[in-house]
Amino acid sequence: DTGVSQDPRHKITKRGQNVTFRCDPISEHNRLYWYRQTLGQGPEFLTYFQNEAQLEKSRLLSDRFSAERPKGSFSTLEIQRTEQGDSAMYLCASSFPGLAEYNEQFFGPGTRLTVL
Amino acid sequence: KNQVEQSPQSLIILEGKNCTLQCNYTVSPFSNLRWYKQDTGRGPVSLTIMTFSENTKSNGRYTATLDADTKQSSLHITASQLSDSASYICVVGGVDHGSSNTGKLIFGQGTTLQVKP
Repeated sequence: DTGVSQDPRHKITKRGQNVTFRCDPISEHNRLYWYRQTLGQGPEFLTYFQNEAQLEKSRLLSDRFSAERPKGSFSTLEIQRTEQGDSAMYLCASSFPGLAEYNEQFFGPGTRLTVL
Repeated sequence: KNQVEQSPQSLIILEGKNCTLQCNYTVSPFSNLRWYKQDTGRGPVSLTIMTFSENTKSNGRYTATLDADTKQSSLHITASQLSDSASYICVVGGVDHGSSNTGKLIFGQGTTLQVKP
């Protein structure tokens, strides 16, 4: 399977615990995005990388959230001291704009986080 | 504020029937408009992508239209199947100037479609 993969697919944690999610993009894609999606809503942009550089972070990304892409390939999203409001689906997407007319993003299956 | 609004919020139709989903947007500057299908518990999958110069695009039984003047789009599903049951999300992309713009997408809240036998 050469698509975007995410791990784990589901995570249940207790409030106050730290969690880390991983995203493996399509291999030749240099851009990687993280989104958060709550029930009944569309995804909301969290942050984005071009290669290993984190170029933009949404105001939704509080100090408890940190994302890395150390070698410009896979990325991790860590949430510290989780709160019940962090419960959501966390989606990763990757793209390679190149000379394309538009920047098509390919999404992974998501990680469903439940904070008890 | 850039927004994407979809209607209806949810829709139930019988298998074999057609339906049309609506999307209005206020994103500016505008680059492209996409329709995604999202099955429950899965990531969104692209159905169509249109730039401002295109006013219709088809993908099998899915046909999207775009009116860049009125900033409206629609997704028409023909001869619906049970597997069409999903959330359909309208997404607008802003102008992408390489590193000066993330190319991030602005998502609508989705229309939940249920196809019944």
